Amino acid sequence: GNSVTQMEGPVTLSEEAFLTINCTYTATGYPSLFWYVQYPGEGLQLLLKATKADDKGSNKGFEATYRKETTSFHLEKGSVQVSDSAVYFCANFGNEKLTFGTGTRLTIIP
Amino acid sequence: DGGITQSPKYLFRKEGQNVTLSCEQNLNHDAMYWYRQDPGQGLRLIYYSQIVNDFQKGDIAEGYSVSREKKESFPLTVTSAQKNPTAFYLCASNLGIGGIYGYTFGSGTRLTVV
Repeated sequence: GNSVTQMEGPVTLSEEAFLTINCTYTATGYPSLFWYVQYPGEGLQLLLKATKADDKGSNKGFEATYRKETTSFHLEKGSVQVSDSAVYFCANFGNEKLTFGTGTRLTIIP
Repeated sequence: DGGITQSPKYLFRKEGQNVTLSCEQNLNHDAMYWYRQDPGQGLRLIYYSQIVNDFQKGDIAEGYSVSREKKESFPLTVTSAQKNPTAFYLCASNLGIGGIYGYTFGSGTRLTVV
């Protein structure tokens, strides 16, 4: 079945640092891949997505590239801000449903 | 604006009681989902429904029940059979077209057993 493994947290960075959160997946076929963000006490918001190999999803300065050869979808941002502090979830869609990773808590220090 | 509304935001339940969480969407989405979120465990799928009057068990359906009598509504009942119901519950929906658009989530209901 489908599964997602993402980088354990928590991750703490200084403002303007470079961010990488690793995500790898297993799936039959070529699933659509997603990154979601969750702010405290709220539901999940779609951050970005990619639907086929070599696609790059991007939004709000975040990027992730669908790498079929390494089955990865790592999240990156060149310069993080305090407002990026949240929990980030990687997910893939297969067998009619989304499967999520366990989430990575990111804290940005001014 | 279109979206998903979950109510109430906070809910307290005594042990041995059933309780129903509401989820309503005005996005005209066919598919709806219920997830449970616990600290450090990510999201786990409870039930999902792809069309009215039909639903399937997810990974942790024991102690829960659902109904899908209307396209807009997908209520979740947490029964007294659920051994550890304290959690954050999230409802989601999507167009049902292979998931390529991702899910839209509600803002969640935090259930506490007292």
